[in-house]
Amino acid sequence: AQSVTQLDSQVPVFEEAPVELRCNYSSSVSVYLFWYVQYPNQGLQLLLKYLSGSTLVKGINGFEAEFNKSQTSFHLRKPSVHISDTAEYFCAVTTLLSASKIIFGSGTRLSIRP
Amino acid sequence: NAGVTQTPKFQVLKTGQSMTLQCAQDMNHNSMYWYRQDPGMGLRLIYYSASEGTTDKGEVPNGYNVSRLNKREFSLRLESAAPSQTSVYFCASSEYGGQPDTDTQYFGPGTRLTVL
Repeated sequence: AQSVTQLDSQVPVFEEAPVELRCNYSSSVSVYLFWYVQYPNQGLQLLLKYLSGSTLVKGINGFEAEFNKSQTSFHLRKPSVHISDTAEYFCAVTTLLSASKIIFGSGTRLSIRP
Repeated sequence: NAGVTQTPKFQVLKTGQSMTLQCAQDMNHNSMYWYRQDPGMGLRLIYYSASEGTTDKGEVPNGYNVSRLNKREFSLRLESAAPSQTSVYFCASSEYGGQPDTDTQYFGPGTRLTVL
């Protein structure tokens, strides 16, 4: 079975500062990894996904994530955040055999201070 | 093109009451999903429908039933609501399901349910 751990429930940062949201996963087989964003009172939107190939994945709104197989991590980064990035971010994992069942992490709430 | 729509947006029930949450998508997607979101627990899959006419249990199916009415609509029913079912419910759809390399789930805005 797969699992996802998001190490920080809340991350406060100042506007224009860099941010990293941490995610670790556990799986005995090859995985597909995702980051979703949930803006206040909205559903989730896909930010980016790792399928295979290059370990650095670029997504929307200037976010990127790096897949590190040896550390079983998939951390999300942005070099300079904006007020509009205030949201909750979810890391998620699935495998080819259970691709309809995405396992979500508990979420990290990113709050941006002006 | 509205994407995934859910009704109602808010609902308050008393313990033991029943209700149906409605979900519809206009993207001609084959697969549809129901999740619940609880504080500190992320989203958990309740049921999914890989294609019209099929449904399967997810991680937390107890206390729920689903109906894939047609390709567009996928409803979630609580037969006898319990306080433990207080949650935010999200419906999602994807084109194929089971193909993460080409598939993306699109989420509705959610239904906030309180069971007293």
